[in-house]
Amino acid sequence: DTAVSQTPKYLVTQMGNDKSIKCEQNLGHDTMYWYKQDSKKFLKIMFSYNNKELIINETVPNRFSPKSPDKAHLNLHINSLELGDSAVYFCASSLERGSSEAFFGQGTRLTVV
Amino acid sequence: GDSVTQMEGPVTLSEEAFLTINCTYTATGYPSLFWYVQYPGEGLQLLLKATKADDKGSNKGFEATYRKETTSFHLEKGSVQVSDSAVYFCALVDNYGQNFVFGPGTRLSVLP
Repeated sequence: DTAVSQTPKYLVTQMGNDKSIKCEQNLGHDTMYWYKQDSKKFLKIMFSYNNKELIINETVPNRFSPKSPDKAHLNLHINSLELGDSAVYFCASSLERGSSEAFFGQGTRLTVV
Repeated sequence: GDSVTQMEGPVTLSEEAFLTINCTYTATGYPSLFWYVQYPGEGLQLLLKATKADDKGSNKGFEATYRKETTSFHLEKGSVQVSDSAVYFCALVDNYGQNFVFGPGTRLSVLP
């Protein structure tokens, strides 16, 4: 069983489209995250979500919005896609805030053309 | 805010060489520290962690010691293998665990 799973693994789409990336964790964790990894491998936190508390990185454009239907899912919606949104997006989860490690999904490579 | 600095590389070593990847951090309070590894085309995997000062994390021959006095968490391995080729990320999470802060990653290539 995959602990943190994301779909799709690859996503190619045109500028201006709206797309979603799904994330599910079967670890019973309370906190989930979305990260963006650019071509230089820099990882940037986008959102963290814990017990319905959403913490947003203020530098993330409001075209990006997380949606959590339940504790095991944190989906990422992106509106009006731009070329600069091309990156690998990682979902992660952790048991609790503090010392617990984060478990990562395999990533979704988004290419905007 | 919290931050992590590490040597960006790339680092190229021959098999069986000694590896050190430096990592220093800036944080308020007492963060937990981690090393993650990312193999090509994959997500990040936890390599090791330390949750308090002087703790040593170790796994697969890698080790790192939480040094509060120098705010460092350097990764070491005595003898690297070709299969260790990957990108290594140093990271911290603060006391409140609001999010993990990652360093820029260090690409390691080990040649046979």
